[in-house]
Amino acid sequence: DVKVTQSSRYLVKRTGEKVFLECVQDMDHENMFWYRQDPGLGLRLIYFSYDVKMKEKGDIPEGYSVSREKKERFSLILESASTNQTSMYLCASSLSGQDTQYFGPGTRLTVL
Amino acid sequence: GDSVTQMEGPVTLSEEACLTINCTYTATGYPSLFWYVQYPGEGLQLLLKATKADDKGSNKGFEATYRKETTSFHLEKGSVQVSDSAVYFCALRPNTGNQFYFGTGTSLTVIP
Repeated sequence: DVKVTQSSRYLVKRTGEKVFLECVQDMDHENMFWYRQDPGLGLRLIYFSYDVKMKEKGDIPEGYSVSREKKERFSLILESASTNQTSMYLCASSLSGQDTQYFGPGTRLTVL
Repeated sequence: GDSVTQMEGPVTLSEEACLTINCTYTATGYPSLFWYVQYPGEGLQLLLKATKADDKGSNKGFEATYRKETTSFHLEKGSVQVSDSAVYFCALRPNTGNQFYFGTGTSLTVIP
């Protein structure tokens, strides 16, 4: 079974802090994705990566950056956390050309 | 651009009732279509998918048929159980590229 893990289930940070969310997948998938999930808005794509060191902006990249130094790991960085970034963050991965995305359990981030 | 519109919730049903959650899409060509399910406190899991017109995806008693003529992929189940309580997301992947587009989610609660 594909496994996608995220470093924390719950995280509480203060405004202005730099925040790192880590995602690791164990199935050699080329593609990795970061979404945020908010009530009434569904999933919105922040960034995705289709290869090591490659990244593409999604629909809402402002205030975020990403890093993919190794194929199995995709990090989401909040350079200076703000209260409007309080949300559930979901990581996913997929094989290129394959239809299915596999999701991690999510990180619920609260910014105070 | 590509998008998915799904029925807004929340939906509350009694056990053994019939379920339909509507989903329509906008896309060029022939996208792949998906239903994902998110149980409380968890990430999204693939429920079923269909990759071409008239295909029927099915899993755990749920079904959805890819209707090109109506650009729809409605989720149905003949008899819901309490354990089906979750949030359901309709999604599409265009026939080019690796990005997915998700609907806003429909929350289902099944009461005994």
